[in-house]
Amino acid sequence: QKEVEQNSGPLSVPEGAIASLNCTYSDRGSQSFFWYRQYSGKSPELIMSIYSNGDKEDGRFTAQLNKASQYVSLLIRDSQPSDSATYLCAVRAGGTSYGKLTFGQGTILTVHP
Amino acid sequence: ETGVTQSPTHLIKTRGQQVTLRCSSQSGHNTVSWYQQALGQGPQFIFQYYREEENGRGNFPPRFSGLQFPNYSSELNVNALELDDSALYLCASSLLDIQYFGAGTRLSVL
Repeated sequence: QKEVEQNSGPLSVPEGAIASLNCTYSDRGSQSFFWYRQYSGKSPELIMSIYSNGDKEDGRFTAQLNKASQYVSLLIRDSQPSDSATYLCAVRAGGTSYGKLTFGQGTILTVHP
Repeated sequence: ETGVTQSPTHLIKTRGQQVTLRCSSQSGHNTVSWYQQALGQGPQFIFQYYREEENGRGNFPPRFSGLQFPNYSSELNVNALELDDSALYLCASSLLDIQYFGAGTRLSVL
């Protein structure tokens, strides 16, 4: 079982729709959860961080965390063509003395006009 | 812009050679992490430096080594390059829990 697993893509949604990206993780002691966006040929850029169960909203983006189910998701409302990118879920384990991030394999999102 | 700069942007080496990649942290960030990202995959943690000391290491062989300097800039050294080392190498700096990535160095090993 992979430590961090994302829903297989690619995911294609029409402009204006809601895009839903999912991620599961295996380490129950994980403390911090992040969503990064990576455009082709570029480096990952942070979209959201979430630490507590529930929802966290930032503009068109909502992150959801359920530690009991070991599940974190990202919703993108009113999707735009500029949202087309690879979305990476990253998890930092608890109980370690350093901030190693474990990434999923990424989900490619395409928003078509 | 994250304020994290990496050099060079691209590099071509042959198998068996050695390479040094450089990273300049965002101002005030005392922690640097290095990741390897193969094509179509998520980044894989190589190691992390905190105040000039290695502070954790991923599943990479000893030929991957690093340094962090007093100004918190960092180097990644890879000896005896193999074809599978071809990847995007990312540096991320952090002060607390958020890691900010540089643009990366694309290494091609022929």
